[in-house]
Amino acid sequence: GDQVEQSPSALSLHEGTGSALRCNFTTTMRAVQWFRKNSRGSLINLFYLASGTKENGRLKSAFDSKERYSTLHIRDAQLEDSGTYFCAADRTGGYKVVFGSGTRLLVSP
Amino acid sequence: GPKVLQIPSHQIIDMGQMVTLNCDPVSNHLYFYWYKQILGQQMEFLVNFYNGKVMEKSKLFKDQFSVERPDGSYFTLKIQPTALEDSAVYFCASSLLSAETLYFGSGTRLTVL
Repeated sequence: GDQVEQSPSALSLHEGTGSALRCNFTTTMRAVQWFRKNSRGSLINLFYLASGTKENGRLKSAFDSKERYSTLHIRDAQLEDSGTYFCAADRTGGYKVVFGSGTRLLVSP
Repeated sequence: GPKVLQIPSHQIIDMGQMVTLNCDPVSNHLYFYWYKQILGQQMEFLVNFYNGKVMEKSKLFKDQFSVERPDGSYFTLKIQPTALEDSAVYFCASSLLSAETLYFGSGTRLTVL
């Protein structure tokens, strides 16, 4: 079946630093979405991309359908960025959005 | 931003009983989804529903599962009868267009005893 492989599973950052999360796809995906799970357990949509890159504040995401991957870059990490981040993607012509296993991010002082 | 509401937040029932999970999606959205997440495991797709029909379902969407949205009211997931392995958090989501930006509820934690 369609697989979304997300890495790393856990990530620790100091405030002010940055890093990237990555999702690799085992098949060609039409679009990708990135989410953060908030303290109440809700999934908050960060980005939706069908191609290229998008930026929002300290977050930037890229999606390459042909190369079968997407990334989420976090710069100048803040304590409130801590949480679990998920990517999810769907195939052309499908109705199913498949999730990665998540990256647990911890930002420390 | 747009909100999806799920009722109840917790539900405890005995195995074999019927349960209905309710979702109030974003008002103008047309596509509705249920996901299942067992503690510590991945978010698993169950079903996509549009215009009164199931568009796609996974193997996890057993025969005991059904979905409907009568007359634009709640989008519901009914499990009849329930089994122990149905214990999980069930998340509802909606989107305006198929598989585009999903908005999620906070989940219903279902415990089957």
